[in-house]
Amino acid sequence: AQSVTQLGSHVSVSEGALVLLRCNYSSSVPPYLFWYVQYPNQGLQLLLKYTSAATLVKGINGFEAEFKKSETSFHLTKPSAHMSDAAEYFCAVRGGNDYKLSFGAGTTVTVRA
Amino acid sequence: DADVTQTPRNRITKTGKRIMLECSQTKGHDRMYWYRQDPGLGLRLIYYSFDVKDINKGEISDGYSVSRQAQAKFSLSLESAIPNQTALYFCATSVGAGVTDTQYFGPGTRLTVL
Repeated sequence: AQSVTQLGSHVSVSEGALVLLRCNYSSSVPPYLFWYVQYPNQGLQLLLKYTSAATLVKGINGFEAEFKKSETSFHLTKPSAHMSDAAEYFCAVRGGNDYKLSFGAGTTVTVRA
Repeated sequence: DADVTQTPRNRITKTGKRIMLECSQTKGHDRMYWYRQDPGLGLRLIYYSFDVKDINKGEISDGYSVSRQAQAKFSLSLESAIPNQTALYFCATSVGAGVTDTQYFGPGTRLTVL
């Protein structure tokens, strides 16, 4: 079975500051990990995914995430926050040929001008 | 990306009513999923289907049923709606084998049960 825990339900950052969203996973098999973003009144959009090809994964809109097996983590970062980054972010995991995703509870990001 | 559409986008209904939420996709993806989103709980899987003849319960299927009418259509029904089924419902599709599989989401249906 797979699960994820997102640390912090709300994160507030200043425009131009580092965005760091934390995700820890649990998986009985090598995991595939995903970050999705949900803008207000919209569906989920894929930001990036880890598929074991490289531990540092670059996604859209300047986001990246690093897979650390020893820490069972897959934290999402962006060096400089923009107002348009205000959204809810979800970490998700699945294992091997199990196509079902397990989602974290989500982290809402607000960006202060 | 998959073109995933959901109807209706918003629905208000009363306790005990039967409700159907519909999902259609135009990219030929075999796998389709229904999730519900509740504040603080993330998304939870209700049902999933790997093809027209393969339908499976997810972690919270009680009170729900589904129908896969065609490869492109996957409907979710609430036979007798209750207030704690008030939530945002998402349909998703996916394609690919193993590492390449990625889920693509529709815009969601906001359901309120009074």
